[in-house]
Amino acid sequence: DTGVSQNPRHKITKRGQNVTFRCDPISEHNRLYWYRQTLGQGPEFLTYFQNEAQLEKSRLLSDRFSAERPKGSFSTLEIQRTEQGDSAMYLCASSSSGGAVKYFGPGTRLTVL
Amino acid sequence: RKEVEQDPGPFNVPEGATVAFNCTYSNSASQSFFWYRQDCRKEPKLLMSVYSSGNEDGRFTAQLNRASQYISLLIRDSKLSDSATYLCVVNNDYKLSFGAGTTVTVRA
Repeated sequence: DTGVSQNPRHKITKRGQNVTFRCDPISEHNRLYWYRQTLGQGPEFLTYFQNEAQLEKSRLLSDRFSAERPKGSFSTLEIQRTEQGDSAMYLCASSSSGGAVKYFGPGTRLTVL
Repeated sequence: RKEVEQDPGPFNVPEGATVAFNCTYSNSASQSFFWYRQDCRKEPKLLMSVYSSGNEDGRFTAQLNRASQYISLLIRDSKLSDSATYLCVVNNDYKLSFGAGTTVTVRA
């Protein structure tokens, strides 16, 4: 399978704990995106990488959120001191440079108790 | 105001029916347009791109009206497998903006 992969697929955590998600994009894609989706809403943009450079962060990404893409391949999204409002599906997508079409991974569903 | 507004539905139609719905977008500089399909608790998947000239993909027809900033999707001869949420998506450079989705349920 050469699509976008994400791990873990599900994460249940207690409020205040830190969590980290991983995304592996399609191998030839140099752009990587993180989105968040809550029930009944469309995905919302969080941040975007071109290779290892993080080029934009949404205002939705508070100081508790950090994303990295250290070697321009896989990316991690960390949430510190989780809150119940962080419960959502976290989606990763990738595309080629200039490619308008983004391909999404299966997502990580986070539940904060 | 949300960047992309969609009729949430739900549209509940019998097999074989035609169903159509639309969305509007606020950024006149938007560059490209798509419909994505999302099944329950799954990731969005590209259904089709949308062009000003209108385009078809099998039973699906999409239309873009740049002057009115309006995008439509029509599904002919609905199948049970068409039941899903359809997301209207607008691309600005690298960023996708999604509508909240239109839910379609096709019944036997």
